Amino acid sequence: ETGVTQSPTHLIKTRGQQVTLRCSSQSGHNTVSWYQQALGQGPQFIFQYYREEENGRGNFPPRFSGLQFPNYSSELNVNALELDDSALYLCASSLTGRKSAKNIQYFGAGTRLSVL
Amino acid sequence: AQKVTQAQTEISVVEKEDVTLDCVYETRDTTYYLFWYKQPPSGELVFLIRRNSFDEQNEISGRYSWNFQKSTSSFNFTITASQVVDSAVYFCALSEAQGSGTYKYIFGTGTRLKVLA
Repeated sequence: ETGVTQSPTHLIKTRGQQVTLRCSSQSGHNTVSWYQQALGQGPQFIFQYYREEENGRGNFPPRFSGLQFPNYSSELNVNALELDDSALYLCASSLTGRKSAKNIQYFGAGTRLSVL
Repeated sequence: AQKVTQAQTEISVVEKEDVTLDCVYETRDTTYYLFWYKQPPSGELVFLIRRNSFDEQNEISGRYSWNFQKSTSSFNFTITASQVVDSAVYFCALSEAQGSGTYKYIFGTGTRLKVLA
């Protein structure tokens, strides 16, 4: 158990809809990263939030957006869903600012999104 | 460009056999970190090990061992006396600095390990 929780676990949407995925980070962690994992592939970095600001972004269009709240939890929003957005969305929390943290990201179990 | 290659898509072994999962990486950075994660069917990525670029000592943890060779840009993972519970997809990952002391991970495509009873 990493202490990183994601909701919902599964979601079915239709093309063009909007979706919000949520992540609660491990206690004491201040950084949240989001990844998209298509079937049979490795996770791809979407973006990262640190101090409630976006701190790095992968090759994803602006319709992928996010938020980080003062308690360090985070949301991933996807607008205008496309069929190719169907994937497992993973959230990872980590602690930035202490050498002992060792830059290790701890992952939740993910949200499986199906776009029909 | 930063890249991680796991050439083995799927490996099947019989229980108690030893198995090595290969990982080759490319990076421009002089300081970087390498990781191995295990992904069981439940989907959660489970952290196994972190190695920094300055530490080339091999590491052993129970039945797991890791061989980091900077000269060949490889970070291989060996499971000794494999067990059915080791069946999962294993990912190798490379860190890339994002600024402010944070990092993103670049993952390989994973190796699916099947351990047969």
